[in-house]
Amino acid sequence: SQTIHQWPATLVQPVGSPLSLECTVEGTSNPNLYWYRQAAGRGLQLLFYSVGIGQISSEVPQNLSASRPQDRQFILSSKKLLLSDSGFYLCAWSVPGRRLSYGYTFGSGTRLTVV
Amino acid sequence: KNQVEQSPQSLIILEGKNCTLQCNYTVSPFSNLRWYKQDTGRGPVSLTIMTFSENTKSNGRYTATLDADTKQSSLHITASQLSDSASYICVVSVSSGSARQLTFGSGTQLTVLP
Repeated sequence: SQTIHQWPATLVQPVGSPLSLECTVEGTSNPNLYWYRQAAGRGLQLLFYSVGIGQISSEVPQNLSASRPQDRQFILSSKKLLLSDSGFYLCAWSVPGRRLSYGYTFGSGTRLTVV
Repeated sequence: KNQVEQSPQSLIILEGKNCTLQCNYTVSPFSNLRWYKQDTGRGPVSLTIMTFSENTKSNGRYTATLDADTKQSSLHITASQLSDSASYICVVSVSSGSARQLTFGSGTQLTVLP
């Protein structure tokens, strides 16, 4: 069966420090991968998605970047964190080769607090 | 603009009672609608998925309905339990085949009290 792992679960970082959140998927090949941010009381906002190694699409201009160095690995990064980067970050994957609306499974999330 | 509106924003009920959450959407062209349950500090977990032709879908004590004509969906929870306390998110998909096709509601925060 397929599983998605996301870490760390919580992170407190000072303003101006770098960020690296990692997400990996097991049990499938060439998944579509996504990074979302969820602000308190608001819906999920799609940040990045990837349909293959090295293929990254950005949805909103921001202080973050994403990379996909391996087929089942998706990394969210920042060179210098801002206070506004605080939030709950979710990684998700969907079934490859099918409509993206199916098989949409989320990781357990990372609570990032920038202080 | 594609939008998903959920109501109420928050709801408090007593254990054992039933409740219904609402979702209205203006997403086109519609592909499917799903309800997620998100426990505090956790990722959303899918409860139901419904396509255009489905009116009702059940998952245990959770029953989702869909009226594609009025673009409304509801999630009914029967005999609520303390573990039902969570945020319930309505998500609507368009059929464009793009990764940007999901539109998320902001969720209904349900609290079940003993």
